[in-house]
Amino acid sequence: GAVVSQHPSRVICKSGTSVKIECRSLDFQATTMFWYRQFPKQSLMLMATSNEGSKATYEQGVEKDKFLINHASLTLSTLTVTSAHPEDSSFYICSARQASSSYNEQFFGPGTRLTVL
Amino acid sequence: QKEVEQNSGPLSVPEGAIASLNCTYSDRGSQSFFWYRQYSGKSPELIMSIYSNGDKEDGRFTAQLNKASQYVSLLIRDSQPSDSATYLCAVNRDSNYQLIWGAGTKLIIKP
Repeated sequence: GAVVSQHPSRVICKSGTSVKIECRSLDFQATTMFWYRQFPKQSLMLMATSNEGSKATYEQGVEKDKFLINHASLTLSTLTVTSAHPEDSSFYICSARQASSSYNEQFFGPGTRLTVL
Repeated sequence: QKEVEQNSGPLSVPEGAIASLNCTYSDRGSQSFFWYRQYSGKSPELIMSIYSNGDKEDGRFTAQLNKASQYVSLLIRDSQPSDSATYLCAVNRDSNYQLIWGAGTKLIIKP
């Protein structure tokens, strides 16, 4: 149980294009999903917290107009990187918290490696 | 002072020995504590969670929590080369469900 999928696993795009990443909880309902970014050999960095049916809460320094997050259902959240630039190249990882959980553990998707040329 | 602190390592342990990973946290109101394993180039994987003082065992893994001293540890018995990874300590302290992350300890199990 507690499986989270992410799609695509890897994407290469040209500078200026937009990229959408999907995060799905496959066998549980997730009222809260999280989006992280991780640069090579660095720690996880929380970008935003996404609650189903409401606007995402972005961490300080994360541009909400550049990183659009939609959490339209209890099993799907999407992150769109708009007008991507080479500095946006990173490993993007989502996680999900089970709606029924009292303990707030997060289950991670496999991640999406974004390369912007 | 960081909210969740871990020794970055690398911690080198011979195969078959016990690996001991430690984590301290600053907020006494913290409620839930987690250990994640992250292999290079992969996403984190939850391996242990603990919520009350004492020990919790799951297979070769034992998590230990001491709220009075504000530390949580992870013991890995009979360490295997496949246990080589970065181990992340995470703490939940409030109602917005966010986890506060340590920077991770790199563990190397030497055959």
